[in-house]
Formats: sequence, structure tokens, C-alpha cells
Amino acid sequence: SQTIHQWPATLVQPVGSPLSLECTVEGTSNPNLYWYRQAAGRGLQLLFYSVGIGQISSEVPQNLSASRPQDRQFILSSKKLLLSDSGFYLCAWSGGGNTIYFGEGSWLTVV
Amino acid sequence: GENVEQHPSTLSVQEGDSAVIKCTYSDSASNYFPWYKQELGKGPQLIIDIRSNVGEKKDQRIAVTLNKTAKHFSLHITETQPEDSAVYFCAAPWDGGTSYGKLTFGQGTILTVHP
Repeated sequence: SQTIHQWPATLVQPVGSPLSLECTVEGTSNPNLYWYRQAAGRGLQLLFYSVGIGQISSEVPQNLSASRPQDRQFILSSKKLLLSDSGFYLCAWSGGGNTIYFGEGSWLTVV
Repeated sequence: GENVEQHPSTLSVQEGDSAVIKCTYSDSASNYFPWYKQELGKGPQLIIDIRSNVGEKKDQRIAVTLNKTAKHFSLHITETQPEDSAVYFCAAPWDGGTSYGKLTFGQGTILTVHP
């Protein structure tokens, strides 16, 4: 069966510091991968999606970037965090169809 | 892109009662409608979904109905239990379903089931 792992689970970072959140999927090959953000416990906003290694599409202009160095690895990064980057970040995958499956999420607090 | 409206934003029921959450969507080409349940501090979990070629789908105490003409779909939970308490999200494809896996989500419904 397929599983998705995301880490770290919680992170407290000062303003201006870098960020790296990692996500890996097991049990499948060539998945579509997604990063969503959830602010204030409500509403999921799509940030990035990837259909293959090195292929990243961004849906909203922002202070964040994403990379996919391996088939089942998706990384969310920032060079300098802003207070507004605080939130709950969710990695998700799909097998190419519309059904997506989420990881457990990473809580980011920028102080 | 797709626009999804979800109501109500909060719903409080007594254990054993039914709960209904409704979503409307804007793109008549949308063909896939999932529902997710999110417990506190966890990622959303897919609980049921429906495709546009059927009007209703049921899985034990959970059912989803779809009205394509009116462009709305609803989640029905019968015989609610305290463990059903969570935030529920509906979703529809970002662009009618041509970009697989890109979903637009409703704003969520906080369901509380009182024992």
C-alpha cells in the first residue's frame, strides 16, 4: 500500500531564517505531488504541484519554492521566512487521477 | 477556475442525529467531488467521493448526493457518533477536471457531535 511521510511535524523558526519541509511517498512510482497550505485551521490553498522530477508549477506568488529532486520526494523551501508564512503545510499525492491523499502535515510558526 | 462554497461553517448535533453539509460549485464541467475529514492537528483524510456519472454513493453511515443541474453536492452522515466530530471539507477539480489532482476546497464545516 502507498504511504506518505512528511517532516518535521512542527517547526518554530525566526523571521528571515530558511525553511525546508520534506515529503516522501512510498509504494507507488511517478506520483503527482502537491503542497497545500492551511491557514487558521480552515481552507486549503494549493501552492505547488509536480507531475515529474524537476517539473514544478506554482499556483500563487509567494515567498516559497518547491523542488522535486527524486521521483517520490517533494521539498518546500524558503530562503527567508516571513511572519505570514506561518501555517499548516500539507503534502499530498495522487496516482494521476483526481483523488489525492494527504500527509499528516507540518505546523510552521514564524516568530 | 472552480469556485466552491460550503455551508454551514459550523454544525452541532446530538449523538444519533443526522448531519448534512452542502457544497455548491461553479464549473459545470467538474466531474469529481470528494469529501475529506480532518481531525485536530492531522492531515485531511478522504472519506467518500462521487463522480458525475452517478447521483448518489453510500458507504455505511456516510452518503454523498450530487445534483449536476443545480451544481451542488452534499454529505450526509446518519446516526452520528462523537468520533464524527471533526472539520469536513468538500472539493471539486480546479479546472473542471482537466488538471488531475488539482482541487479547489470549500472553507470547511466544523461538526460537533454531543454525547
